[in-house]
Amino acid sequence: AQRVTQPEKLLSVFKGAPVELKCNYSYSGSPELFWYVQYSRQRLQLLLRHISRESIKGFTADLNKGETSFHLKKPFAQEEDSAMYYCALTPSGGYNKLIFGAGTRLAVHP
Amino acid sequence: SQTIHQWPATLVQPVGSPLSLECTVEGTSNPNLYWYRQAAGRGLQLLFYSVGIGQISSEVPQNLSASRPQDRQFILSSKKLLLSDSGFYLCAWSAGTGSRYEQYFGPGTRLTVT
Repeated sequence: AQRVTQPEKLLSVFKGAPVELKCNYSYSGSPELFWYVQYSRQRLQLLLRHISRESIKGFTADLNKGETSFHLKKPFAQEEDSAMYYCALTPSGGYNKLIFGAGTRLAVHP
Repeated sequence: SQTIHQWPATLVQPVGSPLSLECTVEGTSNPNLYWYRQAAGRGLQLLFYSVGIGQISSEVPQNLSASRPQDRQFILSSKKLLLSDSGFYLCAWSAGTGSRYEQYFGPGTRLTVT
């Protein structure tokens, strides 16, 4: 079955600390992985996708097929990073159906 | 620029009542449209998607239905609401089919069935 697991409901860190938001997936094929973010009073939006191999707002995520993980990392958290983060996958081929994890709330304290 | 609207923002309905949630997209034509639902403590789940007028695909069996009467209008309906229909409903659009097309989300509707 296709599934995305985010084991932490809440991650609380201090400003300047490293951040790692965990994401594990279950999929037999070659999925495409994404991180979406929802800031307070804003809409859900795409943060980054693994296929682009990009760094957005200092965040990076590496797809580890052996561990079936796609953890989101940032070396130095900022207060404006506080938001709800969702990991999602799209099965290979066909339309772009998104399968989301339950989300992790990141709280960055001053 | 493209925008996506959803209404109402919040809705409280009694069990057994009908439901109609509307989603419209502006600034683009022939978008792919999606309805997602987030139940408490769970991730977003795709309910329906549409690649064109009158074309609806259902992802999960449920008490809900969707329709696309116009190119940029997507409606989520129910004849009789259940308590389990409570949740946060998000509409999204993309410019095409395939993961390279980003999905853009609306503001959502919070539905509480009492």
